[in-house]
Amino acid sequence: KNEVEQSPQNLTAQEGEFITINCSYSVGISALHWLQQHPGGGIVSLFMLSSGKKKHGRLIATINIQEKHSSLHITASHPRDSAVYICAVSPAGTALIFGKGTTLSVSS
Amino acid sequence: DGGITQSPKYLFRKEGQNVTLSCEQNLNHDAMYWYRQDPGQGLRLIYYSQIVNDFQKGDIAEGYSVSREKKESFPLTVTSAQKNPTAFYLCASSPDRAGGQPQHFGDGTRLSIL
Repeated sequence: KNEVEQSPQNLTAQEGEFITINCSYSVGISALHWLQQHPGGGIVSLFMLSSGKKKHGRLIATINIQEKHSSLHITASHPRDSAVYICAVSPAGTALIFGKGTTLSVSS
Repeated sequence: DGGITQSPKYLFRKEGQNVTLSCEQNLNHDAMYWYRQDPGQGLRLIYYSQIVNDFQKGDIAEGYSVSREKKESFPLTVTSAQKNPTAFYLCASSPDRAGGQPQHFGDGTRLSIL
């Protein structure tokens, strides 16, 4: 069993829809990261969470430490949001453990 | 602007050859990492370095080697011992050696076997 599980694996949406991507993990962590990988391969860090909720523009990330679960929400999705979204966790003192990613495609 | 530069973007290797992938950062970060990405799989850690002249093996270090002679540079050599080198390679850096801060990523190098 993978230590970091993401769902869904693939997601197709119409422009304007509300998107939710889920991440569950099985190890103790000091932080959880949400990353965005563009079609060219470059990766950008979106959020780092250790508790609660963070918001940046149309993106919202939440984490429930007790349930070992995090969600990434995109409000009013746009075709430029099309990318692979990756959840990664930081077990204390060790390198990141990555999920396999969720491929999002938003059509106009 | 500060960031991570990986070169080349595309690299082709003949059977039996060693190739070196470059990673340079001007963020003054202590920690640097090399990851491998294969289709349908999460990023896997090859090697990481938390300080100059020191590095540790990750989960899939066999067939790879690294050096960290300067803080800003962390080159990865894919040796002929790596039997399946075709993959996308990502370099990253972080100010925090313990992994509790966001990592900054390069744009990656795609390696293919001729």
